[in-house]
Amino acid sequence: GESVGLHLPTLSVQEGDNSIINCAYSNSASDYFIWYKQESGKGPQFIIDIRSNMDKRQGQRVTVLLNKTVKHLSLQIAATQPGDSAVYFCAETNTGGFKTIFGAGTRLFVKA
Amino acid sequence: ETGVTQSPTHLIKTRGQQVTLRCSSQSGHNTVSWYQQALGQGPQFIFQYYREEENGRGNFPPRFSGLQFPNYSSELNVNALELDDSALYLCASSLGSYTEAFFGQGTRLTVV
Repeated sequence: GESVGLHLPTLSVQEGDNSIINCAYSNSASDYFIWYKQESGKGPQFIIDIRSNMDKRQGQRVTVLLNKTVKHLSLQIAATQPGDSAVYFCAETNTGGFKTIFGAGTRLFVKA
Repeated sequence: ETGVTQSPTHLIKTRGQQVTLRCSSQSGHNTVSWYQQALGQGPQFIFQYYREEENGRGNFPPRFSGLQFPNYSSELNVNALELDDSALYLCASSLGSYTEAFFGQGTRLTVV
């Protein structure tokens, strides 16, 4: 069935280092991908998105890379800060944009 | 902080009962999606409403139903509650598909 999975359930990085969170998706027909951050007790927060006609998109301190050949998505966070500690979800949306599937999440720990 | 509000924040129900959860979308957003998030997992898509019509549904039984009102606020109704329905229920609003979705803080439902 459709699924979005993550390679690493937890990631621990030193403050100031760069973080990379990976994600695999299974539906080659998905055409819109999103990264969300969820802090304890809060709803997911949009970080960055990318359409399937792009390979890379940059935001403030974050970059999303999309490799459609191997159905892989990654989130890079530059100069990771303690405030970046949270659970990160990748999500894919089907063609038509009416169904979004989330992965299980990766917990990011930032050590001061 | 987003403009999406959900009520109630916490709720305890007995197995077999019915529950209605409410979501007020961000101003101007015509699309609302509902998700179920079990502890330690990613959100699971329940359904999406666009301009008062359901336009997408995940793998949830018919006892999960919804409504969207002319002001784009929304309700999630769950009949015949089961213990496994215990979860955080999230709604997200957006201006159509392929755009940033804003999540509320969720309603924590406990079925006993």
